[in-house]
Amino acid sequence: SAVISQKPSRDICQRGTSLTIQCQVDSQVTMMFWYRQQPGQSLTLIATANQGSEATYESGFVIDKFPISRPNLTFSTLTVSNMSPEDSSIYLCSVAPSGGTDTQYFGPGTRLTVL
Amino acid sequence: AQKVTQAQTEISVVEKEDVTLDCVYETRDTTYYLFWYKQPPSGELVFLIRRNSFDEQNEISGRYSWNFQKSTSSFNFTITASQVVDSAVYFCALSGDMKTSYDKVIFGPGTSLSVIP
Repeated sequence: SAVISQKPSRDICQRGTSLTIQCQVDSQVTMMFWYRQQPGQSLTLIATANQGSEATYESGFVIDKFPISRPNLTFSTLTVSNMSPEDSSIYLCSVAPSGGTDTQYFGPGTRLTVL
Repeated sequence: AQKVTQAQTEISVVEKEDVTLDCVYETRDTTYYLFWYKQPPSGELVFLIRRNSFDEQNEISGRYSWNFQKSTSSFNFTITASQVVDSAVYFCALSGDMKTSYDKVIFGPGTSLSVIP
């Protein structure tokens, strides 16, 4: 498995601002993922972030709204840009330590509230 | 298309009762993987089990057991002698087996389990 940390753990933000969420892993991993979990809902994949390449976004998510960086094999950031109350969610990063169809392990999540 | 259904939205049981969480999946892949995750109120997703489509043996881990039946496309999860700490949302998930790249994980809607003391 892998130990994953996220910062911040929670935040309350104003409409129109941006927040950058950090995800740190204790070992080098090829594949990292960002998910959104809206209140009372299941997880929805935002994008897959592989080191050395552009993130791959799922339908309904665009880079301008959710820019992602992946500077090395242990770290990634997700920015939620120009926030609105509809962006209030838990944002989770996950990793698949062995890539491919390996099990994904999740960070503790970032609880975002947008006023 | 792949899909995971968890028909039980919310379940309440009294402590020490057994409870089964249902999961039904749809996929056209011959090789695929099934997962269960637990999400306690703290929000973190905790991995519980991973099963591949060729392994239909039931699994037991302490008070937890899983029943995988390909014939009915089900992967049910039973908690024996439930405890208050089992209160959480439980997600069943499915991924395919793309040989050249990662196949994304599809999560079910989740079942919220409340164990009452």
